[in-house]
Amino acid sequence: GDSVTQTEGQVALSEEDFLTIHCNYSASGYPALFWYVQYPGEGPQFLFRASRDKEKGSSRGFEATYDKGTTSFHLRKASVQESDSAVYYCALGPMNYNQGKLIFGQGTKLSIKP
Amino acid sequence: GPKVLQIPSHQIIDMGQMVTLNCDPVSNHLYFYWYKQILGQQMEFLVNFYNGKVMEKSKLFKDQFSVERPDGSYFTLKIQPTALEDSAVYFCASSRTGGNSDYTFGSGTRLLVI
Repeated sequence: GDSVTQTEGQVALSEEDFLTIHCNYSASGYPALFWYVQYPGEGPQFLFRASRDKEKGSSRGFEATYDKGTTSFHLRKASVQESDSAVYYCALGPMNYNQGKLIFGQGTKLSIKP
Repeated sequence: GPKVLQIPSHQIIDMGQMVTLNCDPVSNHLYFYWYKQILGQQMEFLVNFYNGKVMEKSKLFKDQFSVERPDGSYFTLKIQPTALEDSAVYFCASSRTGGNSDYTFGSGTRLLVI
């Protein structure tokens, strides 16, 4: 079945470090790809999505580029802040209209030291 | 932005009893979802619901689970009877379409079955 793999379970950085969280997917069709962020005690919040090969999604300084060739959608940020500490989820969107569900990766817990 | 409200935020229930989790989705959204998250683990899809019907359910959506949205009121997840392994955080989400629109999640109901 369709799936999403996030390589890093936890990432610990210092403020102003460069962030990369790796996301690879496996899908039979041409899915949309999403990044969500989850803060403690809250539900996941939509960060951004991309629907086509080579499309870049971005929000709040985070960005990711849809790469169909390597089936990847890696999250990057040039300079992280303490407030970025959260769990980040890569997700696969539906390939058919009305299929309507997101398939989440395992999540990556990001901790930023001041 | 628009919010999904979940009631209650916490629920403790004796094993074997019935529990109903309530969700007030975003007002113009037509698709509704339940996800389950065991502490520290990934978000797992349970079920999606559109036009008064279940569209798709996962293996986690046991026979003891049911969903409904009577007369456009709360979208509910009912578990009857509950089991210890049902302890988790249950997230409701809604979306305007079943395709690649933004999914809005609630803050979750933390269910503890004892």
